[in-house]
Amino acid sequence: DTGVSQNPRHKITKRGQNVTFRCDPISEHNRLYWYRQTLGQGPEFLTYFQNEAQLEKSRLLSDRFSAERPKGSFSTLEIQRTEQGDSAMYLCASSPRSEPYNEQFFGPGTRLTVL
Amino acid sequence: AQTVTQSQPEMSVQEAETVTLSCTYDTSESDYYLFWYKQPPSRQMILVIRQEAYKQQNATENRFSVNFQKAAKSFSLKISDSQLGDAAMYFCAYRRLKEGKLIFGQGTTLQVKP
Repeated sequence: DTGVSQNPRHKITKRGQNVTFRCDPISEHNRLYWYRQTLGQGPEFLTYFQNEAQLEKSRLLSDRFSAERPKGSFSTLEIQRTEQGDSAMYLCASSPRSEPYNEQFFGPGTRLTVL
Repeated sequence: AQTVTQSQPEMSVQEAETVTLSCTYDTSESDYYLFWYKQPPSRQMILVIRQEAYKQQNATENRFSVNFQKAAKSFSLKISDSQLGDAAMYFCAYRRLKEGKLIFGQGTTLQVKP
């Protein structure tokens, strides 16, 4: 399977703990995006990378959130001191840089539950 | 700021019938892209159809077509000959030209009745 993969698929943690998610994009895609989706809602943009450079961060991405993409390949999203409000599906997507469409291909997501 | 609104939380259609999902958006830009994404239950999101704002012709992909009304900032999705596999949550999304992020609507859950 050469699609976008995300690990773990599910994560249950206690409030105050740190969690880290991983996203592996489609190999030839140099753009990588993170979104958060709460139940019954549309995804909300968090941040995106072009290669290893983080080009944009949403105001939703508080200081407790950090994302990295070392060497422009896989990406990690870390949430420190988790809160119950962080419970959501975290989606990763990747796209080629080429205009005009930059079609984004989504992964299956990581569902986070904070107890 | 750009916003996308889907005013129909749920829709249902009889198998083989036609259904239209509504979407409106707000932007001051003249060039942008619009998309419809499908998210089946417990499965990943996939692109259904896209429309470039500078094109007057409505996009079509097999049984899926859009009605793009730029002046009205409306972008509806028509699904013809509905199939059971069309049951999913559908999201309308907007992207500015040369920007990365997608801005999504709240979604419409489509039920297809046999």
